[in-house]
Amino acid sequence: KAGVTQTPRYLIKTRGQQVTLSCSPISGHRSVSWYQQTPGQGLQFLFEYFSETQRNKGNFPGRFSGRQFSNSRSEMNVSTLELGDSALYLCASSIGAVNTGELFFGEGSRLTVL
Amino acid sequence: DQQVKQNSPSLSVQEGRISILNCDYTNSMFDYFLWYKKYPAEGPTFLISISSIKDKNEDGRFTVFLNKSAKHLSLHIVPSQPGDSAVYFCAASVGDAGGTSYGKLTFGQGTILTVHP
Repeated sequence: KAGVTQTPRYLIKTRGQQVTLSCSPISGHRSVSWYQQTPGQGLQFLFEYFSETQRNKGNFPGRFSGRQFSNSRSEMNVSTLELGDSALYLCASSIGAVNTGELFFGEGSRLTVL
Repeated sequence: DQQVKQNSPSLSVQEGRISILNCDYTNSMFDYFLWYKKYPAEGPTFLISISSIKDKNEDGRFTVFLNKSAKHLSLHIVPSQPGDSAVYFCAASVGDAGGTSYGKLTFGQGTILTVHP
């Protein structure tokens, strides 16, 4: 079956702009999590959505937001971009009923902020 | 405060030998420990996990050991193959019944494994 799909794969923005990233989970998966990967900080949890509700949130400023649609697809938005937001943004999906930590990741969206 | 640490940034091993990747953690609330493998330009892929109630879990060439008293886990790959060359991430999860930790993994910084033919 199809894996987790993220779009766009690459994008370049300038400081102050905003960006929206999209994630389509594996069919049947109702949980979608977002992670930021940077060379200095590694993989850091942003938030998790289940059945259109944010169920869990990491320690990121309010400029980072997300939502989930009824078909489980998710988007994340970063407003007022800063240089430090340059990173690989990874989406992961899971069935969401049992918290075993096994997540299925997409290939990521690489954001460069100039 | 880095709750999961992989102190070795890289590891080089000869094909056929054993690869041992190590991970330390500080949070006693972690219930599940996982290893993910990541190739360049791909997302991390789940490899193997272990529950905190166990001390060993095997899956083919991969074995994970957990030492709760030392807050240490390790991944053994035997025998190592060139295709195992990748970045390996240790991760941990709090499996609470309240569901407040769903989807949240705390990752280590990763160890680059290179297996030479």
